[in-house]
This record gives sequence, structure tokens and C-alpha cells, in this order.
Amino acid sequence: GAVVSQHPSWVICKSGTSVKIECRSLDFQATTMFWYRQFPKQSLMLMATSNEGSKATYEQGVEKDKFLINHASLTLSTLTVTSAHPEDSSFYICSARDPQRGGLDEQFFGPGTRLTVL
Amino acid sequence: GESVGLHLPTLSVQEGDNSIINCAYSNSASDYFIWYKQESGKGPQFIIDIRSNMDKRQGQRVTVLLNKTVKHLSLQIAATQPGDSAVYFCAEILSNTGNQFYFGTGTSLTVIP
Repeated sequence: GAVVSQHPSWVICKSGTSVKIECRSLDFQATTMFWYRQFPKQSLMLMATSNEGSKATYEQGVEKDKFLINHASLTLSTLTVTSAHPEDSSFYICSARDPQRGGLDEQFFGPGTRLTVL
Repeated sequence: GESVGLHLPTLSVQEGDNSIINCAYSNSASDYFIWYKQESGKGPQFIIDIRSNMDKRQGQRVTVLLNKTVKHLSLQIAATQPGDSAVYFCAEILSNTGNQFYFGTGTSLTVIP
């Protein structure tokens, strides 16, 4: 149980285009999902917290208009990188919490999406 | 975010030896800690967790030790195997931040056959 998927696993795009990344909880409903960014040989950096039915909470320094997050259902959150540029190239990872487990709980991570902007 | 750092960025061990990966955290109010394993090109995978009211927790081949006095966390892997080669992260969770995670820098473990 507690499986999180991401799609696509790898996307290559031209500079200036927008890219949408999907994060799905496959066997549980996630009221809260998290989006992370990871550069090579570095740790995960939290970008934003996605709450179902409300606006996402962004971490300091993360551009809201650049990284659009939509958590339209209890099993799906999307991250859209708008007008992507080469410096946006990174590994984007989502995670979700299973509220049924209650309390302080681990986050279940997706497999990540590699974004390469040419 | 809070500062969670690792002492050693890389670690190489012989197959069969024990591995110890260390992590320092900065907030004494942290409630919960998790060790994750991340293989290249994949998302983090849960290994073991420990709550702040515990000093030690054991899993299969892994043990996590928590020293709240010096705010230090360690992951011990017994009889390290080639499949253990990966980057290991500790994560610090603070309840008053809505259970958000703060990850450390990561340690790259290489197991030499």
C-alpha cells in the first residue's frame, strides 16, 4: 500500500515551454502532497505543500507564478513549470501523506520526474 | 527551513562490513526522524524511523540511534551489501510545521565488492 506515482518520468522540452508533472496517490487518498526539487548530488529541497481544494503553500524563494500547483482531487496534484528555462532542469519529486495512518507519519515518495530544458 | 546536515558526504565500505552514516540536526524540538535511501534516478525510499522519545530502534540489518543531547542521529547498516549502495538522507520532522520534512545533505554510500 501507499504507492505514489509520477508522470512523466523524464521530460525534455525547449526553453520557453510549459511542462506539467503529475503526482498520484494510487491506493490512498492524500489530502496533502509535497513537491520537492533535487539537483544532482544534492538533497531534496521542499518547494511547496499542496493541499486538496485550497491554494498551495510555497516555501520562501519559490516563485508561485513559475511553479503552478493544482491539487484538484484527493489522489492527484500537478506541478506546472511555466516558461521553463535551462536553470529549471532538475529532478522533481512529489510525496504524499496518508491521513488514515494518523499522527506523525512518513511521507510516501514518488519515483521522481527528470526535467531537462534545452 | 531547519538545518539538518550530514558529517560525511561520501562513504566507502567493503562488502560485509558494517556502515555508519551520521546526521546532525539543529532543532531540539524535532519530534520524528526518518532515514531514507535514494538510488540513482529514483525517489527516496523509507528505511527506518525513530521518535524523539526513543534512543534506539532496530530493523532488518539497520539500526537508528538518536542522541538528543548532542542532536545527533546515526544509521547503522550491518553486513553491508552491494545493493546498499545509494545516497542516504536523514529527515527531521517538526510537528509545529505541519509535519513538513527537512532533509539533510545526504551521504553517498559505496559498497566495494
